[in-house]
Order: sequence, then structure tokens, then C-alpha cells
Amino acid sequence: DIVMTQTPLSLSVTPGQPASISCKSSQSLLHSDGKTYLYWYLQKPGQSPQLLIYEVSSRFSGVPDRFSGSGSGTDFTLKISRVEAEDVGVYYCMQGIHLLPMYTFGQGTKLEIK
Amino acid sequence: QLQLQESGPGLVKPSETLSLTCTVSGGSISSSSYYWGWIRQPPGKGLEWIGSIYYSGSTYYNPSLKSRVTISVDTSKNQFSLKLSSVTAADTAVYYCARRYDYCTGGVCYIWSFDYWGQGTLVTVSS
Repeated sequence: DIVMTQTPLSLSVTPGQPASISCKSSQSLLHSDGKTYLYWYLQKPGQSPQLLIYEVSSRFSGVPDRFSGSGSGTDFTLKISRVEAEDVGVYYCMQGIHLLPMYTFGQGTKLEIK
Repeated sequence: QLQLQESGPGLVKPSETLSLTCTVSGGSISSSSYYWGWIRQPPGKGLEWIGSIYYSGSTYYNPSLKSRVTISVDTSKNQFSLKLSSVTAADTAVYYCARRYDYCTGGVCYIWSFDYWGQGTLVTVSS
């Protein structure tokens, strides 16, 4: 089974400052089709998770460009260039190495505002 | 605008079967571009994928839950359902339904896993 490990588990950021979250997988997420199926979600307090990034680095519809995803193989990063108050919540990475709909989530990273 | 709505009992007794339904509105559950999934979140904890289904009835389950999970689809009602048997307190969680969309444009395809989510429903396992 693929294990997804996020670090840090929590971070406190001053508005306007950058933030970075790491997600490491226990095996390469590169699919034989050449794509990497790594996703990022944000779960705001009291809400359902929302898709931020798909396939490592593509922003989903409506996601501000201050969010960016990068990485390859087993190491991935979500960056927020300038944190805003509305960015608070828990961020999850998720792998979908199989084209079949089978997934594993990271344990989550809680972002708070200083 | 696509909407997903979970429904079912909020309280289930230990050893019994948890049953939930997700009703899809604003779109057809039978599209060849969609898979439908169940994800859960114990109170104060992270997300766990339970399983997914295609409109044809093909199912995919989390290996850790496979022996207890059944997911089915009713295309006539635009619904899909979750059954989890032999529940214990560890199955207490908010249960979400969500959609995966295999989006193709200009000859290039993308997989939007879980682009739409229901609001979630809390199921408590207790006697």
C-alpha cells in the first residue's frame, strides 16, 4: 500500500507571508502513461474538502494563482505565495497512481493565521 | 450546478450495518466520464477513501475495508449507496460522497478526482 506523509502537520503563518507543505509518497506516483496523479485539497473549518490542485501542478477552476503545486516521483510540494485569512484550514494531499479510482490521503496539515 | 447529498441514519448500533445514499442532482450519474466515491472522516481526524463505483456497477474498494463494504448504483434514481457491515465505534465518522470527472479537451484528458463533494453526514456508532 502507498503511504502518503505530509510535513509539517501544522503551521502558523503571518498574512502576506508564504507557506509550504510537503507530501512524500512511499513509492513513485509516476504512472505508465507519463502522468502523476497527485492532488491537493483544502478543508476549511466546517466545510467539505475542496479540490485545489490536480495532477501535481494544475490549479482547479477558481483556485487563486497564489496556490501552486510542484514535484515529481515521490516528493511533492504545495506552496502558497502570500497567505490570506481565507486560506486557513487543513490541507490534504492524495495519490491516485492507478487510473482506476483508488486513493490514499496524507494525514493533513493544519494552517493557521498568526 | 452539480449537487451531491448524503442521506441515511445518523445513529447505528455496533455490529449492525451502516447504510447511506448519495443523491446526485444537476447532472446524470450515468455519464461515462464520472466515477462516484465515498470518503469518511472520523471526528478530528483525516480523510479516508472508502470506495468508488462506475455507473456500470464496477466497484473499487479500500483494501482495509473491502471485506465489510458494498457500494451500489441506481441509475434510475440518480443515486449510489454505501453499506458498511459489522460496524464498531471506529466507524463513527462524517461520510462524504464525491465525484471524479475524467475531463477530456482537445485530445488531452485530465482526471479531476473529487471535484464535487456532498456536505457530509455524521454517522455515530453507539448502542
